[in-house]
Amino acid sequence: EVQLLESGGGLAQPGGSLRLSCVASGFNFNTYAMSWVRQAPGKGLEWVSVIYASGSATSFADSVKGRFTISRETSKNTVFLQMNSLRVDDTAVYYCARDDSGYMDVWGQGTTVTVSS
Amino acid sequence: SYILTQPPSVSVAPGQTARITCGGKDIGSQSVHWYQQKPGQAPVLVISYNRDRPSGIPERFSGSNSGNTATLTVTWVEAGDEADYYCQVWDSDNDHVIFGGGTKLSVL
Repeated sequence: EVQLLESGGGLAQPGGSLRLSCVASGFNFNTYAMSWVRQAPGKGLEWVSVIYASGSATSFADSVKGRFTISRETSKNTVFLQMNSLRVDDTAVYYCARDDSGYMDVWGQGTTVTVSS
Repeated sequence: SYILTQPPSVSVAPGQTARITCGGKDIGSQSVHWYQQKPGQAPVLVISYNRDRPSGIPERFSGSNSGNTATLTVTWVEAGDEADYYCQVWDSDNDHVIFGGGTKLSVL
């Protein structure tokens, strides 16, 4: 079964850091780009970042550029989202998704990040 | 950056046809993808590349794209179709994914 499982969410203070993980199973992880998408409470979907299959090419939304980094570890079928300098408006459910040539065909269940003092 | 505009809400009676639009400058030249999201759940891809249905998505879901408007059409709407629907494109100029604001489909 194709599956994505996120973890690492929780409560962080403004200015703090969190590291999200997404473990993939059931498909050849090495051949897919992987994206993170977030959804603030009561709001729509917002794309955050993508890392391509090579692992060397990445892209970020303007709202997180310079604060978030994305990486992948192929030996563990895992993609990471390192979130630094967190702000209150980073509060959201963060979804990991498999990116198949421009669309996201497999999604995880999401992990909740709350930034509050 | 590129902007996708969706109506906040669409309401239809069961058995009727729902049309959800996604507006964008010359969107007809792009590939548009659609997602369904029910409350408390992750999004699900329902249409890729303007009109392709992934395995398991009912034939009642279809898509079209021309000019400045892409459309997701749901025929014979059922209560279970009630959800938020999002359109999405790839902004190649900025190497970004763009989502529309979402449309809440209500089944009366």
